[in-house]
Amino acid sequence: GESVGLHLPTLSVQEGDNSIINCAYSNSASDYFIWYKQESGKGPQFIIDIRSNMDKRQGQRVTVLLNKTVKHLSLQIAATQPGDSAVYFCAENRDTGRRALTFGSGTRLQVQP
Amino acid sequence: DSGVTQTPKHLITATGQRVTLRCSPRSGDLSVYWYQQSLDQGLQFLIQYYNGEERAKGNILERFSAQQFPDLHSELNLSSLELGDSALYFCASSVEHTLNGYTFGSGTRLTVV
Repeated sequence: GESVGLHLPTLSVQEGDNSIINCAYSNSASDYFIWYKQESGKGPQFIIDIRSNMDKRQGQRVTVLLNKTVKHLSLQIAATQPGDSAVYFCAENRDTGRRALTFGSGTRLQVQP
Repeated sequence: DSGVTQTPKHLITATGQRVTLRCSPRSGDLSVYWYQQSLDQGLQFLIQYYNGEERAKGNILERFSAQQFPDLHSELNLSSLELGDSALYFCASSVEHTLNGYTFGSGTRLTVV
């Protein structure tokens, strides 16, 4: 599951700081969004999701914000830890008749100890 | 362990050959999805099966095909392989009628030489 060498934007943060990862989506009809984390050697792992009738959802140490006006999604990670180092993808469901997800290109998060 | 099992983990084959990738979904999940993660295109949806029948098709080449068997495992067949088919291939499974619980396996890394 390791990323295959994508030339990804990278966000470097210090351990304990908060991280914000951004994602722009393209389809205003998308009604469901998911953030996935992909660690080296593993498949994408579900972090948090949000439906289009919400603008904020909180999980454990993570918050997703949805701004439908500008078609923007963000993932906030509080008190970032070395174990948070991974590639993060946003995904959208564009067609509620199908459950295929459309993934963004990903952001690599590097947490410095 | 996500509960979604993919085999083999690694596969190296020559151009022009045919390979079969296998996926066993999580217990109780009826839907299986195949995704390709390549260097320049991120995660791309290929195809979805639900309870043995094709449900949705994405950017899947005609050289590729899939099926889902009565025991719900799925196989992705890739033929006339080209160098550009080198990628990670992920399978995911879910309960059909909700977008929750969309779980990925660890992937098969295919290298075409």
